Amino acid sequence: ETGVTQSPTHLIKTRGQQVTLRCSSQSGHNTVSWYQQALGQGPQFIFQYYREEENGRGNFPPRFSGLQFPNYSSELNVNALELDDSALYLCASSLGRGRPGYTFGSGTRLTVV
Amino acid sequence: GEDVEQSLFLSVREGDSSVINCTYTDSSSTYLYWYKQEPGAGLQLLTYIFSNMDMKQDQRLTVLLNKKDKHLSLRIADTQTGDSAIYFCAESGRGNTDKLIFGTGTRLQVFP
Repeated sequence: ETGVTQSPTHLIKTRGQQVTLRCSSQSGHNTVSWYQQALGQGPQFIFQYYREEENGRGNFPPRFSGLQFPNYSSELNVNALELDDSALYLCASSLGRGRPGYTFGSGTRLTVV
Repeated sequence: GEDVEQSLFLSVREGDSSVINCTYTDSSSTYLYWYKQEPGAGLQLLTYIFSNMDMKQDQRLTVLLNKKDKHLSLRIADTQTGDSAIYFCAESGRGNTDKLIFGTGTRLQVFP
């Protein structure tokens, strides 16, 4: 059974650029959530996808968008990058709503300069 | 509000017990979780407790839940240097997303 894998592990982008982060869910998990963890903070919920549809969104602007594919893998896209977008982006998968226990990937460390 | 609060630091001697505390605000939370994060790594699920339980024990870990006071604690028995990490409590079950609301994390330092 594979866990949650994220790519790339590290990324440096320039302010104003666009970035795509990728996540492969744990086998059998149909729900994917993305979190942003700024340095020294707890993770903040960005959005969740369930069976390829957005199923809830946190307090993030529309330039944060996502996709979930039929194999339940997922992408997080961020447009018009800002310096404050520098953070660890974590993907988490689960068996579905009401089922406990999210499995997290190791994250993508994004630095915006 | 959506605040989950934790103390920032805890320092214990190797072999002693550690107790990490957390308070949350939403009494409708379904599950409460403890995650561990080592430097440069993602989050590792340690344990979780369903909101209708008072206690859960899993090897060296004991979770206590006081729903009246909205207080959650994690006790680590026989703390080892490998337990040094940041520990996050989180609640879920609000709305349709089961999104996790995390605390700011407690940095546990274990010294010999």
